[in-house]
Amino acid sequence: GQQLNQSPQSMFIQEGEDVSMNCTSSSIFNTWLWYKQDPGEGPVLLIALYKAGELTSNGRLTAQFGITRKDSFLNISASIPSDVGIYFCAGTSYDKVIFGPGTSLSVIP
Amino acid sequence: KAGVTQTPRYLIKTRGQQVTLSCSPISGHRSVSWYQQTPGQGLQFLFEYFSETQRNKGNFPGRFSGRQFSNSRSEMNVSTLELGDSALYLCASSLRTGGLRAYEQYFGPGTRLTVT
Repeated sequence: GQQLNQSPQSMFIQEGEDVSMNCTSSSIFNTWLWYKQDPGEGPVLLIALYKAGELTSNGRLTAQFGITRKDSFLNISASIPSDVGIYFCAGTSYDKVIFGPGTSLSVIP
Repeated sequence: KAGVTQTPRYLIKTRGQQVTLSCSPISGHRSVSWYQQTPGQGLQFLFEYFSETQRNKGNFPGRFSGRQFSNSRSEMNVSTLELGDSALYLCASSLRTGGLRAYEQYFGPGTRLTVT
């Protein structure tokens, strides 16, 4: 079945550093979604991407929909302690939403 | 608009019991999906309901079931609880129809179920 891979699995960075993570698949997706989950809470939608090649920003976050429609990237600039959490990507195809396994981000003050 | 609400937020049950969790979607959203999340694990898809019909189903045993009401509110039930059912249960609502944003899922805070 359809599957998403996220890398890296976990990251430990210094406050102020930039962060890059990605999501890849062997399948084509129509939409890419990026979520952030704080401990003990539900994931929150950060960015939605609707078109191949699209680049969208939300504050310090920037995400791109890969040209091949099989991947997406999320960048966080100038990380701060509240960026800590798990970042999930999700792709939509036909009538399904597929979630990646997540990237755990830790920020060292 | 009010967000997705889930009740109860925390629940402790004993092995062998059954449990019912409730989810109220964002107003106007007709699809509700349920996920199980265990520590260090991703989001394991349970099922999706749209217009009171189950549209998609994950790979969970028949002890896990759900339903959706005419007002789009949804419940999931777990019978004969096992220790391994301890998890955060999340529901997410979406429009499901109406263009690009149809499949954007918005999550509730989750119900933390502990089975002892």
